[in-house]
Amino acid sequence: DTGVSQNPRHKITKRGQNVTFRCDPISEHNRLYWYRQTLGQGPEFLTYFQNEAQLEKSRLLSDRFSAERPKGSFSTLEIQRTEQGDSAMYLCASSPPRPSLDSPLHFGNGTRLTVT
Amino acid sequence: SQKIEQNSEALNIQEGKTATLTCNYTNYSPAYLQWYRQDPGRGPVFLLLIRENEKEKRKERLKVTFDTTLKQSLFHITASQPADSATYLCALDIYSGTYKYIFGTGTRLKVLA
Repeated sequence: DTGVSQNPRHKITKRGQNVTFRCDPISEHNRLYWYRQTLGQGPEFLTYFQNEAQLEKSRLLSDRFSAERPKGSFSTLEIQRTEQGDSAMYLCASSPPRPSLDSPLHFGNGTRLTVT
Repeated sequence: SQKIEQNSEALNIQEGKTATLTCNYTNYSPAYLQWYRQDPGRGPVFLLLIRENEKEKRKERLKVTFDTTLKQSLFHITASQPADSATYLCALDIYSGTYKYIFGTGTRLKVLA
């Protein structure tokens, strides 16, 4: 169990630029989640994959955000035309295949995005 | 709308005392409730999971209670140590198209030596 890996750890970009983050979940985990966290707040749900299928996307997520999980392995989160309000920690989590939700989420250490 | 509330202010306690953190929720009927620890600049780390039909769960110095009538969970750390200083998050499962966990705002705990 090598844990959930996220890259890069930090990203500084200028407003209007596109950015892409990568998440490598624990290998046998078929569920993958993206959350966003701002200072002093808890993680906010963005989107959820089961294998390669994106099953839910938060209504809070604008069309500038897109996520993929080709082949049900790693996932990418892309933000187009970044805005200063996108500055946050982007967290990825995975969990094993279970019939219910009684398994913990394994989080990566996040990608800290700063939009200047 | 759905809401999860945790003590918004930081909690400072003396080493050796018991820390008690609160998680209150409205408009949910969760089947599971989880507690996580988060250190600055790191992702949350799972601590405990409790099911709706369980009143209490223990793990070493940690204890969680789950009162579905009050819609409240209490998280206790006994014999607290400075190394317990962190932010603690509660999370509940909800269904809105798919099942997922949503998180409270977290409570920052500081254990003073």
